[in-house]
Amino acid sequence: GQNIDQPTEMTATEGAIVQINCTYQTSGFNGLFWYQQHAGEAPTFLSYNVLDGLEEKGRFSSFLSRSKGYSYLLLKELQMKDSASYLCAVPSGGSYIPTFGRGTSLIVHP
Amino acid sequence: DAGVIQSPRHEVTEMGQEVTLRCKPISGHDYLFWYRQTMMRGLELLIYFNNNVPIDDSGMPEDRFSAKMPNASFSTLKIQPSEPRDSAVYFCASSLAENWNTGELFFGEGSRLTVL
Repeated sequence: GQNIDQPTEMTATEGAIVQINCTYQTSGFNGLFWYQQHAGEAPTFLSYNVLDGLEEKGRFSSFLSRSKGYSYLLLKELQMKDSASYLCAVPSGGSYIPTFGRGTSLIVHP
Repeated sequence: DAGVIQSPRHEVTEMGQEVTLRCKPISGHDYLFWYRQTMMRGLELLIYFNNNVPIDDSGMPEDRFSAKMPNASFSTLKIQPSEPRDSAVYFCASSLAENWNTGELFFGEGSRLTVL
């Protein structure tokens, strides 16, 4: 099985940078995923990390350290539309099916 | 391309009634998933299919829940009889086998179920 831990809620200011952390424990690692979910909407895929290091994709970057069981999602130049829940997901051992954490609700204020 | 289509978007029913949720995956996708989302438990996998065959239903909470995929373009999740604790948003998602190992699932808009 796996255990995923991320903060419940974070707040940040428009234009700032925010880092959302995720720690996990899993038997057998097949990558780590980040999804974004706006209130009342479907989750949408943001990123996938399977090797250590930073993956940059526009304003969003995702970092992974497999030895530490740790990842973060970095959001730069925050915009109001970035207010959403950010879900960290890790497949259970041996599979590729994402098992989701409870998500971090990010509130961006002016 | 149309995304994953779910119906109904909202359903309110009384305890004991049968509930059927429907899903049309993205055409050509090999995998179909049913997830349930609540504030307390987050997003939980209930069951998934590969090429219309159920592969893992270990997340189905109890025998009141059943899911079918009679063909590649349609799946149902049925709850009979429904209970108030089944109130949640039920998401259907699909994926292509070739994207499988990157974990990219495409979710429908969800069906919000309220059982009174």
